Amino acid sequence: KQEVTQIPAALSVPEGENLVLNCSFTDSAIYNLQWFRQDPGKGLTSLLLIQSSQREQTSGRLNASLDKSSGRSTLYIAASQPGDSATYLCAAQGGKLIFGQGTELSVKP
Amino acid sequence: GAVVSQHPSWVICKSGTSVKIECRSLDFQATTMFWYRQFPKQSLMLMATSNEGSKATYEQGVEKDKFLINHASLTLSTLTVTSAHPEDSSFYICSARDRDRALSYNEQFFGPGTRLTVL
Repeated sequence: KQEVTQIPAALSVPEGENLVLNCSFTDSAIYNLQWFRQDPGKGLTSLLLIQSSQREQTSGRLNASLDKSSGRSTLYIAASQPGDSATYLCAAQGGKLIFGQGTELSVKP
Repeated sequence: GAVVSQHPSWVICKSGTSVKIECRSLDFQATTMFWYRQFPKQSLMLMATSNEGSKATYEQGVEKDKFLINHASLTLSTLTVTSAHPEDSSFYICSARDRDRALSYNEQFFGPGTRLTVL
């Protein structure tokens, strides 16, 4: 049974800092791994999707990596801004899409 | 492209009533749709997988007689919460898989969610 874990559960950083969010999964038989952003009371915004054959994906200040063999993915956010404050969820797609518990990020001006 | 809508975006109802939530894929056809539930400060939990033209597959612990799912067309799935109670209050999110891209991408596209409050 797939389990997805995200560390840390919460993170507070000053504006401008580079940061890394971690995601680990127990079953490496996945089709893809996806990172989402969720603002309070809102739905999901897809940030990056990494296919199982890929190692990383980049979009603007975001970079996500995938290491299937070790069951890990990281989301790197460069030059963080207050507008980046949200909960970040990773999800591993095997037979089902399994979500981690999320990392609540707060970027202070 | 790949837009999924949900209606309503929020609903308040009295205990014992039934509530229907619609999930539509606006610009693609979806043979498979998924329903998730999210309690405050928790992650999304898959409730059921909805396949067009067939019965939904429910996850363990989800009552199929309480959460009725109908996927009558390639662009619409509905979730009906029957005899709702306060403990059913939650954020319900649907997603859909693009039929024409499923084999190569397996990506799910998410709706904006429906907040249900049962008084």
